Amino acid sequence: GAGVSQSPSNKVTEKGKDVELRCDPISGHTALYWYRQSLGQGLEFLIYFQGNSAPDKSGLPSDRFSAERTGGSVSTLTIQRTQQEDSAVYLCASSPVRGTEQFFGPGTRLTVL
Amino acid sequence: TQLLEQSPQFLSIQEGENLTVYCNSSSVFSSLQWYRQEPGEGPVLLVTVVTGGEVKKLKRLTFQFGDARKDSSLHITAAQPGDTGLYLCAGDSGDYKLSFGAGTTVTVRA
Repeated sequence: GAGVSQSPSNKVTEKGKDVELRCDPISGHTALYWYRQSLGQGLEFLIYFQGNSAPDKSGLPSDRFSAERTGGSVSTLTIQRTQQEDSAVYLCASSPVRGTEQFFGPGTRLTVL
Repeated sequence: TQLLEQSPQFLSIQEGENLTVYCNSSSVFSSLQWYRQEPGEGPVLLVTVVTGGEVKKLKRLTFQFGDARKDSSLHITAAQPGDTGLYLCAGDSGDYKLSFGAGTTVTVRA
């Protein structure tokens, strides 16, 4: 079966531009997570969606970051007015229920020039 | 500040040698997970340890959870080039947010 997919795989943008990153979770998985992985750092939690509940946005680093999940499936992470420090790999993961194994996508490598 | 400290940060060994990666914290976790990540891919779960003192074996990999559930280790016996990758530990504090260590980059030379 298909795993978690993310697009684009690579994104180069100029400082100040907005970007949208997409995540397609595994079909039937109700939980979806976004993480950021910077060079030499572990994964940093950004946001969590569970079913129809309000998302946990506590990990978003600033109000330039937002995410939505439509129809309980596909999720989009939007970064407005990108800054160079936003450069990182953005990983999406899904799990069948809260607290179980998370299945990760390949990530989107974002480079802000 | 990382909630989980991994050591060493980098490890380069010859094929056939043994290695140990450590994951330490001052916090107690309800469970701890180990992942391996290869370049251009997302992390893949290797094992979850739940009980203090638990030891799990996965072929040549041995995982141990500390008695106090604050630390863990990963030991690889007779490492092979296919074991090369970034090894990440992640602690579950009982909610859905995993806290990840910075990772240990393991290189096994043929």
